[in-house]
Amino acid sequence: DTAVSQTPKYLVTQMGNDKSIKCEQNLGHDTMYWYKQDSKKFLKIMFSYNNKELIINETVPNRFSPKSPDKAHLNLHINSLELGDSAVYFCASTAGNTGELFFGEGSRLTVL
Amino acid sequence: GDSVTQMEGPVTLSEEAFLTINCTYTATGYPSLFWYVQYPGEGLQLLLKATKADDKGSNKGFEATYRKETTSFHLEKGSVQVSDSAVYFCALSDRNQFYFGTGTSLTVIP
Repeated sequence: DTAVSQTPKYLVTQMGNDKSIKCEQNLGHDTMYWYKQDSKKFLKIMFSYNNKELIINETVPNRFSPKSPDKAHLNLHINSLELGDSAVYFCASTAGNTGELFFGEGSRLTVL
Repeated sequence: GDSVTQMEGPVTLSEEAFLTINCTYTATGYPSLFWYVQYPGEGLQLLLKATKADDKGSNKGFEATYRKETTSFHLEKGSVQVSDSAVYFCALSDRNQFYFGTGTSLTVIP
């Protein structure tokens, strides 16, 4: 079983559209994250949820909104997509006490 | 605030060469330190970690020692293989906040 799974793996869409990326973890972790990785492989933290509460909200545009229906899921919704949103988005989770982050395989978003 | 600085790449080595990727950190508390590896087309996966000063993390022939006096966590491997070609990220964790370095791309040629 995949520990952290994201869907879709690839997403190609037009500017101005709205899209969502889903993430699920079956590790029983309390904290989940969304990261954005640009073409230079730089990782930027976007959001973190701990027990369904937002605990980090970095300076991302408010077109991005995380939604956590329960502690095993953290979805990312993006409104009015722009060219600069093209990137690979990674979901991750941690139990906290070990400090280790478990990553999903990534969702490559391409905005045309 | 907390931060991680790692050696910029790309790094190209011949098979069986010695590898060092430098990483230094700044932290206000007592962080845990990590090296993550990202193979092409995949997500990041933990390579090794150290949770306190003087701990040595090791895995798959890679090693890194948590040096509090020099605030460093350099990654080393004595003899790299083609299969080690990947992007390597140094990271620290402090109270559930994670900070990543910019990544170092390694290519090993036969």
